[in-house]
Amino acid sequence: GAGVSQTPSNKVTEKGKYVELRCDPISGHTALYWYRQSLGQGPEFLIYFQGTGAADDSGLPNDRFFAVRPEGSVSTLKIQRTERGDSAVYLCASSSQGNSPLHFGNGTRLTVT
Amino acid sequence: GQQVMQIPQYQHVQEGEDFTTYCNSSTTLSNIQWYKQRPGGHPVFLIQLVKSGEVKKQKRLTFQFGEAKKNSSLHITATQTTDVGTYFCARSSTTSGTYKYIFGTGTRLKVLA
Repeated sequence: GAGVSQTPSNKVTEKGKYVELRCDPISGHTALYWYRQSLGQGPEFLIYFQGTGAADDSGLPNDRFFAVRPEGSVSTLKIQRTERGDSAVYLCASSSQGNSPLHFGNGTRLTVT
Repeated sequence: GQQVMQIPQYQHVQEGEDFTTYCNSSTTLSNIQWYKQRPGGHPVFLIQLVKSGEVKKQKRLTFQFGEAKKNSSLHITATQTTDVGTYFCARSSTTSGTYKYIFGTGTRLKVLA
C-alpha cells in the first residue's frame, strides 16, 4: 500500500516568504506527527495530531509555525515570514494509534535563502 | 528534561566487527522504539520495547531494555556494509493519554569494507 506522502520534496524560498508543506498519511492512520531534522541531528518534535485536533503542539518553535489537519487525514504545516534558520528537512509521520510505530514520509527539504 | 542521550555519537567499524549503541534517560521510560535512517533517507522503524529487561532479536540485531527502564541498547553482530546509517532511539512522552515521541541524538555507524 501507499506510504506517507510529502509534497513538495524540495522547497526553496526567500527570507520573509510564506510556505506550506503538505503531508498525506497512510490511510486510516489517526495519529500524525511533524518533525524537523537539521543536518546531523535527530528528528525534533514539532506537533502531534490525534484525528483532527492538535494533541500536542509544544514543539512548535514560535507563532510563525502553524499546522492543521481539518478532516483528520491530510495535514499542512504552515510557516510565515520564513527565516534562514528554518532551513531543514521537515518530516511527517503517521501511526495507526498513539503507541504504534511511526511511518515516516521522505520529507520536504526547505531552504530559506 | 525529556532529552534522550545516545552514545557513541559516531562509530566506525570494520566489516564483520560488532557494534553497540546505547540510549540513556534520566527518567523511567514507558517504552522505547528504535529507528534506522540511511544516508539521505527517512527514519524506518525497527522495534519497540515495552517490558523491563526485555530482549528482542532481529537476525543480527539484538535490542535490550534495561531492568529499570531507563536505558536501552542495540547490538549488531558481524556488521555488514548494509548496516550503514544512523540509529535513533525514541521515547514516548505521554500526557493525558496522548503520545509524542522524542528522538535521541542518534549514533552514526560507518562500516568499512
